[in-house]
Amino acid sequence: EPEVTQTPSHQVTQMGQEVILRCVPISNHLYFYWYRQILGQKVEFLVSFYNNEISEKSEIFDDQFSVERPDGSNFTLKIRSTKLEDSAMYFCASLQRVTSTDTQYFGPGTRLTVL
Amino acid sequence: KQEVTQIPAALSVPEGENLVLNCSFTDSAIYNLQWFRQDPGKGLTSLLLIQSSQREQTSGRLNASLDKSSGRSTLYIAASQPGDSATYLCAVDLGQGAQKLVFGQGTRLTINP
Repeated sequence: EPEVTQTPSHQVTQMGQEVILRCVPISNHLYFYWYRQILGQKVEFLVSFYNNEISEKSEIFDDQFSVERPDGSNFTLKIRSTKLEDSAMYFCASLQRVTSTDTQYFGPGTRLTVL
Repeated sequence: KQEVTQIPAALSVPEGENLVLNCSFTDSAIYNLQWFRQDPGKGLTSLLLIQSSQREQTSGRLNASLDKSSGRSTLYIAASQPGDSATYLCAVDLGQGAQKLVFGQGTRLTINP
């Protein structure tokens, strides 16, 4: 069965450094998402991406964050200057179509630790 | 602003019991509601999706109900097994644009052999 993959599984970085989290969505999906989950807290929506542009973003997704689909397969989340509070699990998800019955498929996540 | 709440936060039951997990949401104007399973170190797996016009959905031993007017959903697990141990998340789709999901904090379920 097709699945969403994410790399790396765990990223450790120093505060102020840039990180890029990578995702390979399911190949025939058109919508892409990033969510994050701070330890012990809810899964939170960050951004959705469709047709090579951001379709919606949350208040969390400020100028420090950016997303890109650099080629036909990868979808990336960049954090320009990481802060301690960016430490979280970051999940990528993809969706084939926006209907009342289609569901997002989630990757296994990247655990980001900012020291 | 839509808020999703799940009760209880944790639940531990012996194997074989039937159990109910609860989810409530503050704004009844939802497109659909989904239940996910989250295993440690793994992503989220969709279990059931209930459209806003539906009252319930079933998959195997799982049954999810939706009462949109009261802002509630339940996930019923029949004949629980140790393999059901996981965190169960409820999420609502607000139906605005590209399926933005709002999650509850989850119920951590432990099934004891």
